[in-house]
Amino acid sequence: GAVVSQHPSRVICKSGTSVKIECRSLDFQATTMFWYRQFPKQSLMLMATSNEGSKATYEQGVEKDKFLINHASLTLSTLTVTSAHPEDSSFYICSARGNDGYTFGSGTRLTVV
Amino acid sequence: QKEVEQNSGPLSVPEGAIASLNCTYSDRGSQSFFWYRQYSGKSPELIMFIYSNGDKEDGRFTAQLNKASQYVSLLIRDSQPSDSATYLCAVSNSGNTPLVFGKGTRLSVIA
Repeated sequence: GAVVSQHPSRVICKSGTSVKIECRSLDFQATTMFWYRQFPKQSLMLMATSNEGSKATYEQGVEKDKFLINHASLTLSTLTVTSAHPEDSSFYICSARGNDGYTFGSGTRLTVV
Repeated sequence: QKEVEQNSGPLSVPEGAIASLNCTYSDRGSQSFFWYRQYSGKSPELIMFIYSNGDKEDGRFTAQLNKASQYVSLLIRDSQPSDSATYLCAVSNSGNTPLVFGKGTRLSVIA
C-alpha cells in the first residue's frame, strides 16, 4: 500500500531556531499533502494543504510566515517551523491521499525548549 | 465550519464485549467516512472506511453509516485489551480534500 515517510520522528530545538520536517510519498505521487498538528489529548487539526508547484493553503489562524510549506516535487513536501517557541511544541503529522485512501506519516514530535 | 463530534470518553468495556463508538458530522456534503485508531504518541492507523449508507463489516469491526442522520458508528466485537486506544472519526468531501477529524473517543478494554 501507499507509504508516506516522515522525518525526523522526534526533534528538540532551542527557542528561536527553525526546524524542518520532511514528508515523502514513497510509492505514489502526491500532488497534495496535508499537514496536521496535534496537541496532547486533542485531535488532529489541519494546518495547511500543500500543493505541488503552487502555494500552500493555510487554515484560519495558522501563520503562513511561521509555518513555511514547500511542495517542490510530486513526492516531497516540507514544513519549516520558523523561530520556534515553546507553544509550537506539538505532534506534527503529514498525510496524502493515494489510491487506497489517506496515508499518514509517522509523525514528528517537536519540543521547543 | 465543518465539525465532527465524538464523545471523548473514556469508554470502558470488559474483554470480549462489544464496544460501540459514535460520531456525528455537520457537513451534509461529506462523502467519505473513516475510522482511525491512534495509540499514544503514534500516528493514526486506518481501521475502516465507508462511503454508502448501511453496514460494512471487516473482521471484528463493523462501520455503520446513516447519511440522513449524519451519523457514523464503529462496533468492535470481542474487544481485546490491545484495542485500548483513541478512536478517531474523520470525514471528507469528494476529491482530494483533507480529512476533518473528531476529537476522538478513548476506549479502554479491561481484561
